[in-house]
Order: sequence, then C-alpha cells, then structure tokens
Amino acid sequence: QSALTQPASVSGSPGQSITISCTGASSDVDNYNLVSWYQQHPGKAPKLMIYDDYKRPSGVSARFSGSKSGDTASLTISGLQAEDEADYYCCSYAGPFYVFGTGTKVTVL
Amino acid sequence: QLQLQESGPGLVKPSETLSLTCTVSGGSITSSSYYWGWIRQSPGKGLEWIGSMYGSGSYYYNPSLKSRVIISVDTSKNQFSLKLNFVTAADTAVYYCAAGLAFDFWGQGTMVTVSS
Repeated sequence: QSALTQPASVSGSPGQSITISCTGASSDVDNYNLVSWYQQHPGKAPKLMIYDDYKRPSGVSARFSGSKSGDTASLTISGLQAEDEADYYCCSYAGPFYVFGTGTKVTVL
Repeated sequence: QLQLQESGPGLVKPSETLSLTCTVSGGSITSSSYYWGWIRQSPGKGLEWIGSMYGSGSYYYNPSLKSRVIISVDTSKNQFSLKLNFVTAADTAVYYCAAGLAFDFWGQGTMVTVSS
C-alpha cells in the first residue's frame, strides 16, 4: 500500500483560494467514494475536515470543500485565513485497508 | 460526542512489545455506528494507518505491520487496545486512537519512544 501523493507545500495570501491535490490509484481513490481530509496544527491531533470525498462534518467551515476526479482528490480552501495554516492529509479507503497521503503544509503568506 | 484517550508506557525497549489502550467515553465500543482504529505519526513525518476494528468483530491491519500487530477490545471497560511486537527505533511515534466511519474522532495522542 503506497502513500497517496500530495504536494509538500502550498501557500496563499489571506482571502485567496488554494487547492491541495491527492493522487492515488485504481485500488483506492478511484475505486471508492471514501476520501477524507484532515487538518493538523502543530502538536495537535488531526481534525476531520471532509469525508466521503466531499461531505463536510458539522461545525467545519464552508470555506473547505472536497472534490474528486478519477484517481485524484482535491481539497479547496476558499477565503484563506491565518488559522488555516496547518498540515493537511488526505486518506482513502482501499478495502479493507486505509492509506494516508504524504501531507501538505499550508502556509498563509 | 465520542471522546477517546490513549494510555500506556512512553518508553519501550527494542525487541519488546508496545502496548497501548484507548478508553472510549460518550459512546459504546460495541456500537455499529463506528469503526475503531489506530494511527501513528513518526517525528516530523506523516500519518500511518496501523489497523482498524469493526463492530462485526473484524480486524484489518496495515500489511507492512500485520505480522507484528494485534488490536483487541475489552467491552467491559469500553476500551480497545494495540499491541505491537518486536519494536525497533522505527516504531518511535505518536500513537493515536480514532473512531468513526471516517476518522471522525481522535484521541490526543501518546508519544512512544523505543530506546534501550
């Protein structure tokens, strides 16, 4: 099970939109509608931001949205804010296993 | 709202067994509404799925760790546990327990160092 591929870093200015990609394979991202995204601030536990490719848990800002095309999932953060600076990880079900992405550091300029 | 709390030794010697417990509150470990899992994060690295337990009594493990990992449940204490055998320095990490149909709920994590 190889880790899903994410860009190491993405940056943007406050108010801008950024998109983080997550590329997998036919055995995971492309085979199930079960990609989730997690936000992790330094020293903290990850927090679920998106599940089932595009669904947003209660309490998560509508500025966060998920999408998928083929073997690549994406997380878009709109109206970037200072508090969005964190590491982001995608995760896909790969029946019956799970595989995480390599992680992306988001920097707010 | 589920709450999870990891507990266990913070230091384990090489070749010995790492044992951690996750205590669940705010919900039942026997609930079919949740999957229960362990995830780890080596210092400065990304997240790695270790394994998951499903309400049906099914257990699945990361193929790279399968030969060394056991996840078990104690319904009387509303806990589930992780055992990782024959640890090396490469197993040094923060270990998280998590639950949900996605990993909706996480414990705060516990740092485990493998060193003599």
